[in-house]
Amino acid sequence: AQTVTQSQPEMSVQEAETVTLSCTYDTSESDYYLFWYKQPPSRQMILVIRQEAYKQQNATENRFSVNFQKAAKSFSLKISDSQLGDAAMYFCAYRSASGYQLIWGAGTKLIIKP
Amino acid sequence: KAGVTQTPRYLIKTRGQQVTLSCSPISGHRSVSWYQQTPGQGLQFLFEYFSETQRNKGNFPGRFSGRQFSNSRSEMNVSTLELGDSALYLCASSREGSNPQETQYFGPGTRLLVL
Repeated sequence: AQTVTQSQPEMSVQEAETVTLSCTYDTSESDYYLFWYKQPPSRQMILVIRQEAYKQQNATENRFSVNFQKAAKSFSLKISDSQLGDAAMYFCAYRSASGYQLIWGAGTKLIIKP
Repeated sequence: KAGVTQTPRYLIKTRGQQVTLSCSPISGHRSVSWYQQTPGQGLQFLFEYFSETQRNKGNFPGRFSGRQFSNSRSEMNVSTLELGDSALYLCASSREGSNPQETQYFGPGTRLLVL
């Protein structure tokens, strides 16, 4: 069975600085997708970024980028120029290419210090 | 385009009762998935519906059930409520659900408290 591990329950960063959130996963599959979701205090889960396992190039969305290391089964999220609105729970999730469900990590609470 | 809506937003029930939660997907989306979020267990997949059929199911007891209507709206039902069912229940919709490249759009959730 696939598992997703986020080892940092909480992280804090100064506004305008860069922060990296860690995620590791375990799977025997070769074709899958990885996601980072953000859940602000309002509770609406929002997709931040997606990475296809067959793509070697790391995904980037504006200030958000990932470091995808397939052999190490690592999928970290880098947030550049942190803003107050980035404060939220961040969840790493896995989805098999042949499955329907998302398998979630425990989440990392990101605090932005003004 | 309206987002995913869930009703009610908050519910308080007592043990042994049953509850029905509703989810209206984004217009044009035919796949609806349900997740349970608790502080202890995190986010767990309940089930996914597509074209009024349950296509995928997570590891939850039979007290948890759902259905989907012809307009893609979905309901989930929990019977014989237990204290451990207290959670935030999230609904997510996507166009077809079978393509992992599709984005799942989440609703605001229904907060259920079982006393």
